[in-house]
Amino acid sequence: GIQVEQSPPDLILQEGANSTLRCNFSDSVNNLQWFHQNPWGQLINLFYIPSGTKQNGRLSATTVATERYSLLYISSSQTTDSGVYFCASRISGGSNYKLTFGKGTLLTVNP
Amino acid sequence: GAVVSQHPSWVICKSGTSVKIECRSLDFQATTMFWYRQFPKQSLMLMATSNEGSKATYEQGVEKDKFLINHASLTLSTLTVTSAHPEDSSFYICSAYTGDTGELFFGEGSRLTVL
Repeated sequence: GIQVEQSPPDLILQEGANSTLRCNFSDSVNNLQWFHQNPWGQLINLFYIPSGTKQNGRLSATTVATERYSLLYISSSQTTDSGVYFCASRISGGSNYKLTFGKGTLLTVNP
Repeated sequence: GAVVSQHPSWVICKSGTSVKIECRSLDFQATTMFWYRQFPKQSLMLMATSNEGSKATYEQGVEKDKFLINHASLTLSTLTVTSAHPEDSSFYICSAYTGDTGELFFGEGSRLTVL
């Protein structure tokens, strides 16, 4: 199956700093999503971005499908951004609709 | 965005008992739902794909007799952990596609503790 690798595994920032999280995937994909898992465990959808660039407030994401990676940018980080960020992807073609998750990036934003 | 709701949010049970977790799509119909499991400080692992009106498809290593999945309608899938043991304690999360965009949405999750 598809392999999804995220980096870095851990990231510590001061409030106000910017950061970039990376997601590499091993096959052509037709779905790439970024999630933020809050302290209660719920997965919050950040971006559905199989290709291209999207922005939502202080967050933006870019997926370069031909090079099999996606980036999540967090600008002017806030303490509430802390948590685990997951990317997940689904292989193109066939009838397999399951998403495979990376191991996540644990982000800690200090005041 | 689409809403997927799970119940209960947390449950504590005694070893040997069975626990049922419900997953509902509130504003769309879901012919397929997915059940994931997450251990502390780990990623999400797919357990099974729940198919409306037919048998679930289980991932390798997941015991189908231990984790019973029923998808009786287009808005409801249930996961029953049978004869639960402490090692079944985990965070269980369901998800579904809305179908139009291909974006996957997750429920709030259910934290199971087996004593």
